[in-house]
Amino acid sequence: GAVVSQHPSRVICKSGTSVKIECRSLDFQATTMFWYRQFPKKSLMLMATSNEGSKATYEQGVEKDKFLINHASLTLSTLTVTSAHPEDSSFYICSARANREDNSPLHFGNGTRLTVT
Amino acid sequence: AQSVAQPEDQVNVAEGNPLTVKCTYSVSGNPYLFWYVQYPNRGLQFLLKYITGDNLVKGSYGFEAEFNKSQTSFHLKKPSALVSDSALYFCAVRVWGGGSGNTGKLIFGQGTTLQVKP
Repeated sequence: GAVVSQHPSRVICKSGTSVKIECRSLDFQATTMFWYRQFPKKSLMLMATSNEGSKATYEQGVEKDKFLINHASLTLSTLTVTSAHPEDSSFYICSARANREDNSPLHFGNGTRLTVT
Repeated sequence: AQSVAQPEDQVNVAEGNPLTVKCTYSVSGNPYLFWYVQYPNRGLQFLLKYITGDNLVKGSYGFEAEFNKSQTSFHLKKPSALVSDSALYFCAVRVWGGGSGNTGKLIFGQGTTLQVKP
């Protein structure tokens, strides 16, 4: 089945530093990937849609200069949290669709737990 | 606005009993509906989907869901719960527009924690 690999699974960084999270589709090509943020109260918020070879589309209220997304190849998208602050601490999850059909499900990475101290 | 709602924060059920996790949606046009499950500190796993056809959809691990257009609902069900079913469940709907292009994007409900007790 389609596998999405996300790395790292956990990261702790100091306030003011930047952190890069990688999302890879291991056995399929993904022209589009999605980045979600999950808050402690469970809700899953779509942050942005990552499009291979073009700029990401950010959801309303998400700072594009804060959360840099790069989708340089058909199997890799990266999310960089720049100048991280404690309020950026969260669980970040990426996902991708294995084929372009509208009814195909998303496949999710295992998430990255970011803690900013 | 297009959205999906899960009215229950938590559902408790005894092992062996039937379970229902509720979901209602609000979309324009025909809905593409999905259920996902999440175990602690993991990503989401796909359970089942409704696109068209039979209103009763069968999915992984013995789960099924019933699409009800008049009530705009897509409740998740299982005839006999297992302790291992305890997890966080998300209902989702695919929407288009707002930069999602031809791909569409998934909007998730708030999530429902299912607790199955032995």
